Amino acid sequence: KQEVTQIPAALSVPEGENLVLNCSFTDSAIYNLQWFRQDPGKGLTSLLLIQSSQREQTSGRLNASLDKSSGRSTLYIAASQPGDSATYLCAVKDNFNKFYFGSGTKLNVKP
Amino acid sequence: GAVVSQHPSRVICKSGTSVKIECRSLDFQATTMFWYRQFPKQSLMLMATSNEGSKATYEQGVEKDKFLINHASLTLSTLTVTSAHPEDSSFYICSAARVGEQYFGPGTRLTVT
Repeated sequence: KQEVTQIPAALSVPEGENLVLNCSFTDSAIYNLQWFRQDPGKGLTSLLLIQSSQREQTSGRLNASLDKSSGRSTLYIAASQPGDSATYLCAVKDNFNKFYFGSGTKLNVKP
Repeated sequence: GAVVSQHPSRVICKSGTSVKIECRSLDFQATTMFWYRQFPKQSLMLMATSNEGSKATYEQGVEKDKFLINHASLTLSTLTVTSAHPEDSSFYICSAARVGEQYFGPGTRLTVT
């Protein structure tokens, strides 16, 4: 069964810092990998989606990479802002349309 | 496009009662919808997969008689928590599939007292 792990569980950084969130998964037979943002008590906002054949995706200050063979993905956030404070979830989708989520990294960006 | 809504956003009910949560795809048709549960400080766990016009497929450990899922149309799936207990208190999120992607609803916070 696919297991998704995210490190660190929590992260606190000063505003302006660049940071990296890590995600690892046990089964490399994935359809795609997606990074989400979740604000407290809210649903999910999709940030970046990487297909299994792709290596990375970029959107604004966010860059996500995927190394399927090693079962790893990173989310890079440049020039962090207090508004980036949220929980970031990594999820892999298998070939049967099922999502497996990591437990998230709770990010706090201090002004 | 690709908006998914859930109703209600929050619900408080007494132990032993049943609660229905609706998930709607507002601007697209979804043959498949998914229901997830998220306990505090934990990640989302898939509960069941719902296909329009057929019985839902439940994940291991999820009681199908307790969590009734109905996918009566291409835009609506409902989750009914029957005889709710305090341990069923959780955040329930649905998603709807379109063209290989899933779009998530805003979630429903269920509190059972």
